[in-house]
Amino acid sequence: SQKIEQNSEALNIQEGKTATLTCNYTNYSPAYLQWYRQDPGRGPVFLLLIRENEKEKRKERLKVTFDTTLKQSLFHITASQPADSATYLCALPNSGYSTLTFGKGTMLLVSP
Amino acid sequence: EPEVTQTPSHQVTQMGQEVILRCVPISNHLYFYWYRQILGQKVEFLVSFYNNEISEKSEIFDDQFSVERPDGSNFTLKIRSTKLEDSAMYFCASSAQGAYGAEAFFGQGTRLTVV
Repeated sequence: SQKIEQNSEALNIQEGKTATLTCNYTNYSPAYLQWYRQDPGRGPVFLLLIRENEKEKRKERLKVTFDTTLKQSLFHITASQPADSATYLCALPNSGYSTLTFGKGTMLLVSP
Repeated sequence: EPEVTQTPSHQVTQMGQEVILRCVPISNHLYFYWYRQILGQKVEFLVSFYNNEISEKSEIFDDQFSVERPDGSNFTLKIRSTKLEDSAMYFCASSAQGAYGAEAFFGQGTRLTVV
């Protein structure tokens, strides 16, 4: 089964800076990868999906890259705001594409 | 905006009791899921459901668990005889296209506490 690694240490940055979060996976390269946001005590909220033939995807202040050679995705938030503070989860489909496997997530803390 | 709703938001039950967690997926979605998250741990897949049957289940989803779509709108997770280790947040999710690239919409979860 797919193993997903996200930095377990919280990332602390100052407002206005760019946050970069990493997702590494160890087995097969899936056809796509997703990023979700999770606030404490709440369900994950979908942010972005990037396909294997897309090197980069953008949505407002968010940018995701997907490198199938490195088996890595990077998630960037530019001009970060305190409201961006949350845990960000990387999710990949299983080999049968019938469900998603989530990483443990990286907590982002943006201070004013 | 359409959303997945779950009830109750918090359920406390005694060990050995049966619980039913309820979900109303987004109305035009065809794929339904249950996930759970033990405090401080990752979101774990339990079961996926499509066309009125289970399409996949994880090792966690053993004989004490069952799912049902009793009518056109509700999707339930039953835990027959709860154990202390079943204490977790349980999330229902639905999607329009299954895991073939569609986003999953999650409910706000039911916090299950087994005492």
